[in-house]
Amino acid sequence: AQSVSQHNHHVILSEAASLELGCNYSYGGTVNLFWYVQYPGQHLQLLLKYFSGDPLVKGIKGFEAEFIKSKFSFNLRKPSVQWSDTAEYFCAVIRTGTASKLTFGTGTRLQVTL
Amino acid sequence: DTGVSQDPRHKITKRGQNVTFRCDPISEHNRLYWYRQTLGQGPEFLTYFQNEAQLEKSRLLSDRFSAERPKGSFSTLEIQRTEQGDSAMYLCASTPGGGGNQPQHFGDGTRLSIL
Repeated sequence: AQSVSQHNHHVILSEAASLELGCNYSYGGTVNLFWYVQYPGQHLQLLLKYFSGDPLVKGIKGFEAEFIKSKFSFNLRKPSVQWSDTAEYFCAVIRTGTASKLTFGTGTRLQVTL
Repeated sequence: DTGVSQDPRHKITKRGQNVTFRCDPISEHNRLYWYRQTLGQGPEFLTYFQNEAQLEKSRLLSDRFSAERPKGSFSTLEIQRTEQGDSAMYLCASTPGGGGNQPQHFGDGTRLSIL
């Protein structure tokens, strides 16, 4: 069974600081990878996804993530965070080619201060 | 695209009571998923449907839980004889066909509180 680890549970940054949130997964086969964001009081929304091809994927709102297969990692980055990025971020994995469940990490709560 | 709709948004009930939640997926999405999320955790998979067929159930889904999707459109999740440990946010998601390459779209969830 696959599992996902997010190393940072709570991150506090000042506006304009750079962000990197770690995500590692455990699974021996091929996976598709996702980052979801949950803004306060809102539903989970897709930030970006990796299926195949270029391991550097760009998502909405200036976010990007890099898939490093050898490290089983899919870290999320943003060069300059904004106060509106305050939210909870979840990394998730699904086995390639299946319609089955997403396996989520425990989430990282990002707080951006002015 | 009106999004995934869940009802009710909040449910407060006494221990031992039965509760039922409803999920309306995005129109023409034939896959529907239920997840449970507790405080400080990511969503955990409960079950999923392709059209009206329930194709996978998690071990988290005890005998007290039952889910249906009778006409392949909306789905219901029922919890019988609720327990304190059932307190959580219950999330529904849907995708069109196409295997795991389709991102899941989530609803706002139903927050269940057991007194």
